[in-house]
Amino acid sequence: RKEVEQDPGPFNVPEGATVAFNCTYSNSASQSFFWYRQDCRKEPKLLMSVYSSGNEDGRFTAQLNRASQYISLLIRDSKLSDSATYLCVVNTGQAGTALIFGKGTTLSVSS
Amino acid sequence: NAGVTQTPKFQVLKTGQSMTLQCAQDMNHEYMSWYRQDPGMGLRLIHYSVGAGITDQGEVPNGYNVSRSTTEDFPLRLLSAAPSQTSVYFCASSKKTGGTDTQYFGPGTRLTVL
Repeated sequence: RKEVEQDPGPFNVPEGATVAFNCTYSNSASQSFFWYRQDCRKEPKLLMSVYSSGNEDGRFTAQLNRASQYISLLIRDSKLSDSATYLCVVNTGQAGTALIFGKGTTLSVSS
Repeated sequence: NAGVTQTPKFQVLKTGQSMTLQCAQDMNHEYMSWYRQDPGMGLRLIHYSVGAGITDQGEVPNGYNVSRSTTEDFPLRLLSAAPSQTSVYFCASSKKTGGTDTQYFGPGTRLTVL
């Protein structure tokens, strides 16, 4: 089983739609969780951290279910500028080699 | 702050050639790392450093060397380039070890080995 798994998509949605991405991780000892965004041919950038209680940043909501080892990202009112690849990232807590990246989920928002 | 800078942005090598990918950060971050990203694959860690003078191997270290003589610089050396090393290489830094803090990535180096 891969350490961090994501549906690669692509997710093709119209502007204004709500879209949800899921991610599962295999290491139950994982300590912290993130969503990164990567635009085409650019470097990844932190979108948001994911907390156990769930957290929201504007149109973006992240949820964590430790029991199911499942992370989600919800994007409301999609904008054209949201088109990108979203990377699920897990910190396993092992010094140095901690961050494990999923392969990413591609979102395309059209007008 | 310039953040994390990488040079060159693009490079074409012939099999067997060697070269160094440069990475520098001006944020006084302790932790620096090199990743490669291939189509259909997640980012994979090549080497990392938790401070000047300290380096260690990541998931895919074969064919690469690193050194960390200063806090700012973390060059990646390809010893004898192979077509399998064709990839996009990202350098990243963070304040703390192990990814407990935000990772800042450089713009990447796109390497093609013929």
